[in-house]
Amino acid sequence: GAGVSQTPSNKVTEKGKYVELRCDPISGHTALYWYRQSLGQGPEFLIYFQGTGAADDSGLPNDRFFAVRPEGSVSTLKIQRTERGDSAVYLCASSLKVAGGISGANVLTFGAGSRLTVL
Amino acid sequence: QKEVEQNSGPLSVPEGAIASLNCTYSDRVSQSFFWYRQYSGKSPELIMSIYSNGDKEDGRFTAQLNKASQYVSLLIRDSQPSDSATYLCAVRIGNTPLVFGKGTRLSVIA
Repeated sequence: GAGVSQTPSNKVTEKGKYVELRCDPISGHTALYWYRQSLGQGPEFLIYFQGTGAADDSGLPNDRFFAVRPEGSVSTLKIQRTERGDSAVYLCASSLKVAGGISGANVLTFGAGSRLTVL
Repeated sequence: QKEVEQNSGPLSVPEGAIASLNCTYSDRVSQSFFWYRQYSGKSPELIMSIYSNGDKEDGRFTAQLNKASQYVSLLIRDSQPSDSATYLCAVRIGNTPLVFGKGTRLSVIA
């Protein structure tokens, strides 16, 4: 696609429920990133994929969070047993390749985000 | 712990003035530096990237990098009300993901 597409744009759920957020990166981009942004804060890294594998998941806050990218394109972020503190905008970004050295190929392009509200 | 520090603002400047946004980072081996603009309720969009010490100019925007002082800045000349947004500084070391600061909110007063 022309840009990074994220669905849903808004999700309201109740505490304890399961949520899936989807990201469709720019066609041909091998690297895909998930960030979380709370109000008044900068994006906070969660996980990134190089192809199908999670290259770095050190930002996932706990084992309730999980992400997959089974075919190396679309990714799904899954949150189990949601808590009110999970409320945030979940941003997905993609780049042509994983950052290495200095290159325009590692510039991140963000999607519009999925706003999650846990009541 | 990699840290990127920015003054949260708001930074208010009159229309036509120069806006100066500053960012410091903690890790000396940081290699790539980026400025993103984020309008309220929207996603971040890349404005500038800079990799070498010195200045890099693109239209009304100039990024300045001083690796010895671990400092990167963004200057916006002839500020316009449409420049009012939050400006996010981001830093990368090698293959690691971007680390973002909290952002500086800029308000350009007409």
